[in-house]
Formats: sequence, C-alpha cells, structure tokens
Amino acid sequence: QVQLVQSGAEVTNPGASVKVSCKASGFTFTSYGFSWVRQAPGQGLEWLGWISAHTGIIYYADNFQDRVTMTTDTSTSTAYMELRSLRFDDTAVYYCARDYISGQSSSWYLCVHWGQGTLVTVSS
Amino acid sequence: EIVLTQSPGTLSLSPGERATLSCRASQSVSSNYLAWYQQKPGQAPRLLIYAASSRATGIPDRFSGSGSGTDFTLSISRLEPEDFAIYYCQQHGNSPFTFGPGSKVDFK
Repeated sequence: QVQLVQSGAEVTNPGASVKVSCKASGFTFTSYGFSWVRQAPGQGLEWLGWISAHTGIIYYADNFQDRVTMTTDTSTSTAYMELRSLRFDDTAVYYCARDYISGQSSSWYLCVHWGQGTLVTVSS
Repeated sequence: EIVLTQSPGTLSLSPGERATLSCRASQSVSSNYLAWYQQKPGQAPRLLIYAASSRATGIPDRFSGSGSGTDFTLSISRLEPEDFAIYYCQQHGNSPFTFGPGSKVDFK
C-alpha cells in the first residue's frame, strides 16, 4: 500500500534551516509528483510547492520562492523540503503528499496520499 | 495567483441534514481543476473531490462536487457523524496550487 513516512519533529532557532524528509513506499516513486503543504497551529493549509520525481520540474509558491528548496532522491525513494532563514511564524506541521490517481490525467498536482506530518517549531 | 474564498466560515447542522459549501476563485480555474479535502482534528487532510466533480477512491457518494469557472460547490447529501470536520478547496489547474481558508461543519 502507498506509504509516505516523514522525518521526526524538529525544534530550531530563528534564522536556521530545516530539512524534512518524506520516504515513499508501495509504488513506483519516479512516476509521481510530490507536494509540500504546511499548517500553522489552528490555521488552514498553505501550499509550498510541488516537485516531479520523474522530470525534476518544480513549482514553488511565490511567498517561499527564495527560501525553499525541494529535491528528490530516486535511489532511496525520498522527497525532501528544506526551508531556510526560519522565522517564528514558520512554526507549523509540514506535510508531503503524492499526486495522481491511476488513469486520471486530471489528478496531477493533487494531494492524493499524505504523510503523517512533521512538526517544525521555531523557538529561541 | 488565484485566491480562493470559502463560505460560510462555519456551518452548524445536525446529522442527516444537507451541507452545501462554496468555493469562489478570483479568476477562472483552468479546466475546472478544483479539489476538495476534508480534515479532522489531529489528522492529515483527505482528498474527496478533484476536477470539480470526480470523487476520489473510496469516497462515499453522499459527497458531490459541482461548478465551473469561478464558482464551485461541495455538497454532502445527508451528514453522518464522521462528516463534521473542516473542508478545504484547492485549485490544481495552474501553479501556484492555492488552498482556500476552509469551512467548518460543526454540530448544531
């Protein structure tokens, strides 16, 4: 079955960087794209970006263009999201999600299967 | 960037009633690629509807989506106790694939 297992919670200082991993299993990693979405405490969902594990094409949200880097490692079927220059308001649960429903061309870029989330706390 | 607005912010209903949630886009959504997600406390969201009206795998048929252009609707025909949650729309037509602010369905 499809599984996305994310790295553990992080506590970090303002100005530092954090890198969250998302290890995939149960499907062919390079056939899909992966979104990163975050949710601050008590707030809604915020889309950070999407990366294709097949082509390497990346789309970033405008607000994060200069602070985020998304990558994939096809040898380990793992997607990564690094966020730099962290601020207090970057405290959130960060989710990875896989797209595409088999046979449905309209399902690219969706968040079909989700990881369990990684809590990143920015604190001094 | 397409900005999505959802209404109402909170909908208070009883089990068995019909829920109707709205998602309005600041500009036309490409190919009507509008999705709906359900989120319960402490859980990751779950995909319900994509491309405005296609149900995701395993989603009960009491959930239906409709709409086109800039106006979209999620309907829940008869609320079950497990349907009380927060619902988000997302446009997946053009990057950035923005989310709406969410609508909460709670118990009356």
